[in-house]
Amino acid sequence: KNEVEQSPQNLTAQEGEFITINCSYSVGISALHWLQQHPGGGIVSLFMLSSGKKKHGRLIATINIQEKHSSLHITASHPRDSAVYICAVRSGGGSNYKLTFGKGTLLTVNP
Amino acid sequence: KAGVTQTPRYLIKTRGQQVTLSCSPISGHRSVSWYQQTPGQGLQFLFEYFSETQRNKGNFPGRFSGRQFSNSRSEMNVSTLELGDSALYLCASRRDKGPYEQYFGPGTRLTVT
Repeated sequence: KNEVEQSPQNLTAQEGEFITINCSYSVGISALHWLQQHPGGGIVSLFMLSSGKKKHGRLIATINIQEKHSSLHITASHPRDSAVYICAVRSGGGSNYKLTFGKGTLLTVNP
Repeated sequence: KAGVTQTPRYLIKTRGQQVTLSCSPISGHRSVSWYQQTPGQGLQFLFEYFSETQRNKGNFPGRFSGRQFSNSRSEMNVSTLELGDSALYLCASRRDKGPYEQYFGPGTRLTVT
């Protein structure tokens, strides 16, 4: 079992729909990142969080430390949101931290 | 502020050769991390450099190495290339220590034939 599991692997939505991508992890973490990768490779860091909830525009990220679970929500989805969304967790402390990535969720938003 | 830049963007090498990739971080960022992304394994952490010192290392063989210069620019080197080294290599920079947000470069697409 991977230390970081994302679901679903693939998600197709119609423009305007509310999207939820889930990330579960099995280790204690100091931070969790949500990344967005568009075709062609470029990665953008969307959120870094260690507790609670963060919001940026139409994107909302939440984390429940006790349940070892995070969700990324996209409200009023748009075709330009089509991308791979990757969850990454940072575990360990100091200079001996470990970064583990989920396999990603491919989101396709149709007009 | 200029973003993270990586050169070259695309590279084709032959098995057995070696390759050097370069990464210039955002000005003021002293931490540079390297990642490998393949369709099968996804993103994997290679190593992190901070102030010219390797601060952390992922689970990769010794053929993968790196260094960082005094201006924070970093290079990674892969020796004795194998077909399985074909991947997108990404670097990311961030401020100083701690789990701060990372800024990724566009990546170098390496193909080993």
